[in-house]
Amino acid sequence: GQNIDQPTEMTATEGAIVQINCTYQTSGFNGLFWYQQHAGEAPTFLSYNVLDGLEEKGRFSSFLSRSKGYSYLLLKELQMKDSASYLCAVRDRGLSNNDMRFGAGTRLTVKP
Amino acid sequence: EAGVAQSPRYKIIEKRQSVAFWCNPISGHATLYWYQQILGQGPKLLIQFQNNGVVDDSQLPKDRFSAERLKGVDSTLKIQPAKLEDSAVYLCASSATSGGGDTQYFGPGTRLTVL
Repeated sequence: GQNIDQPTEMTATEGAIVQINCTYQTSGFNGLFWYQQHAGEAPTFLSYNVLDGLEEKGRFSSFLSRSKGYSYLLLKELQMKDSASYLCAVRDRGLSNNDMRFGAGTRLTVKP
Repeated sequence: EAGVAQSPRYKIIEKRQSVAFWCNPISGHATLYWYQQILGQGPKLLIQFQNNGVVDDSQLPKDRFSAERLKGVDSTLKIQPAKLEDSAVYLCASSATSGGGDTQYFGPGTRLTVL
């Protein structure tokens, strides 16, 4: 099977930096995605990693270590609007048709 | 560019009733996905279409769920009969292809409540 583990909840202060970790197990890793999901809304794409290293996109960065089965999403200069759930999702060649599986998500609360 | 459209946005039914959801993907996207998202969990893939063909329905409860994408564009997902545990948000997503790095774009979802 495929396990994707993320912390359930995190709290951070406006203006600060927060790191959301994700660990996974796959039989054929083929890419990792991070999505943001505000309450009651659809997930929106944030980042994609398939090679080791850091991908930076404005205030958001995502890191991948394939050998460790580990990724993190780094959010800088936190804003109140960043309060949302952050979903880690992994594509696995070992699954039917290269499917993508989602973690349960990390609910981030940004406080003033 | 218009996003993924879904309807209805909300639906309340009683158990054992039937319900259908509709999805219109982003224009030109060959791959369409239906996900079920139970409160507090991540989306779970139910079925994946490539054009009008099913490429993965391994997690679809086929005794009660069915889906079709007859002309390779719009899709419908049906539940018959519904159970209490089917209460969830049903998300439709589309991508240009089914390649490893291809981003899936999600619609707003249909929130189903089964009483």
